Amino acid sequence: AQSVTQLGSHVSVSEGALVLLRCNYSSSVPPYLFWYVQYPNQGLQLLLKYTTGATLVKGINGFEAEFKKSETSFHLTKPSAHMSDAAEYFCAVNTGFQKLVFGTGTRLLVSP
Amino acid sequence: ETGVTQTPRHLVMGMTNKKSLKCEQHLGHNAMYWYKQSAKKPLELMFVYNFKEQTENNSVPSRFSPECPNSSHLFLHLHTLQPEDSALYLCASSLGQDTGELFFGEGSRLTVL
Repeated sequence: AQSVTQLGSHVSVSEGALVLLRCNYSSSVPPYLFWYVQYPNQGLQLLLKYTTGATLVKGINGFEAEFKKSETSFHLTKPSAHMSDAAEYFCAVNTGFQKLVFGTGTRLLVSP
Repeated sequence: ETGVTQTPRHLVMGMTNKKSLKCEQHLGHNAMYWYKQSAKKPLELMFVYNFKEQTENNSVPSRFSPECPNSSHLFLHLHTLQPEDSALYLCASSLGQDTGELFFGEGSRLTVL
């Protein structure tokens, strides 16, 4: 069965610092991979997705992620954090028709 | 505004009450979902409907009863709930294709006393 592991339930960075949120997946078939963001008191919003093709995927708000098959990873990065990036981030893998499996989430804290 | 609207945003109910959560999508999607989000747990898929037909019931207790009268509306009927059912209930929709791109509502925060 497919699964997703997000390392670190909380990540703290200073404004302007690099953001790195880690995600490793397990899948017996080529996966579709996703990052979603959840701001306080809101639902989840798609940040970016990898289906096929280019392994470096760019998303909204300056985020990007790289699919590394050899490492079974799909880490999320942003060169320079903004205060508005403070939110919870979820990695997810598609397991088949319409089924997404989510990780437990990583809360990003950004300090001035 | 994601195109998926959930009401009510907050609900407090006793264990003997009957209430319903409503979800409406204005995106022309064919698939709709209920997810449960509890603190420190992964999102749990509860139900999936595709073209009004239920295609997934993820071993959800019968005290949760979904209803999908058409592709734009989804309900979650609640009765004799337990305190551990307190959570954020998220509705989502998708075009129906196997790309995993879901559009979520803002959720209904349920508290069971």
